[in-house]
Amino acid sequence: DAKTTQPPSMDCAEGRAANLPCNHSTISGNEYVYWYRQIHSQGPQYIIHGLKNNETNEMASLIITEDRKSSTLILPHATLRDTAVYYCIVRVKAGGTSYGKLTFGQGTILTVHP
Amino acid sequence: GAVVSQHPSWVICKSGTSVKIECRSLDFQATTMFWYRQFPKQSLMLMATSNEGSKATYEQGVEKDKFLINHASLTLSTLTVTSAHPEDSSFYICNSVGGGYGYTFGSGTRLTVV
Repeated sequence: DAKTTQPPSMDCAEGRAANLPCNHSTISGNEYVYWYRQIHSQGPQYIIHGLKNNETNEMASLIITEDRKSSTLILPHATLRDTAVYYCIVRVKAGGTSYGKLTFGQGTILTVHP
Repeated sequence: GAVVSQHPSWVICKSGTSVKIECRSLDFQATTMFWYRQFPKQSLMLMATSNEGSKATYEQGVEKDKFLINHASLTLSTLTVTSAHPEDSSFYICNSVGGGYGYTFGSGTRLTVV
């Protein structure tokens, strides 16, 4: 699976958009970008994933550059409860018999302040 | 959605004793289970992968005789830390796959060995 690079930490004001970048310059054509987050002392929580088109769900939006070498997770209106470590993972899409391990990097510690 | 129940959520044990951690898939059959551990302020590190009815595959550097994994049924997987020592104190997390739900994480177990 391709390696990802994320900033170690970011701050965001409550109510503002949080934009978390991720570089994955060695991504392969069949690899997806997955985002998870981990709130302190809990298991990781799935947020969103995408291949090349921008994606949006009830939690966040995912913007993937045209060359797919980087992406940005957007939390449109951050709340204090969004304070967590955010992990960007690149791997072949899970499905069928392809459910290999998820490899976690160091992630980005997002702190949302009042 | 899929739920994985992980117990206990926290445990304190004496050095030299064994501790069992359980992960149960509540409404789906978990064909594969990944076990991670996480030391303070570090990322999740994969320890082993188990498939129902088969022996677990351990990552390099993880002692298979110390971390016993049992995945005898499609709804239950256990991790037993044998002869625990203070350096085994960590946050242990299971991640199951199955039932078409993709990856589902347990809530984690905080192990403290005194």
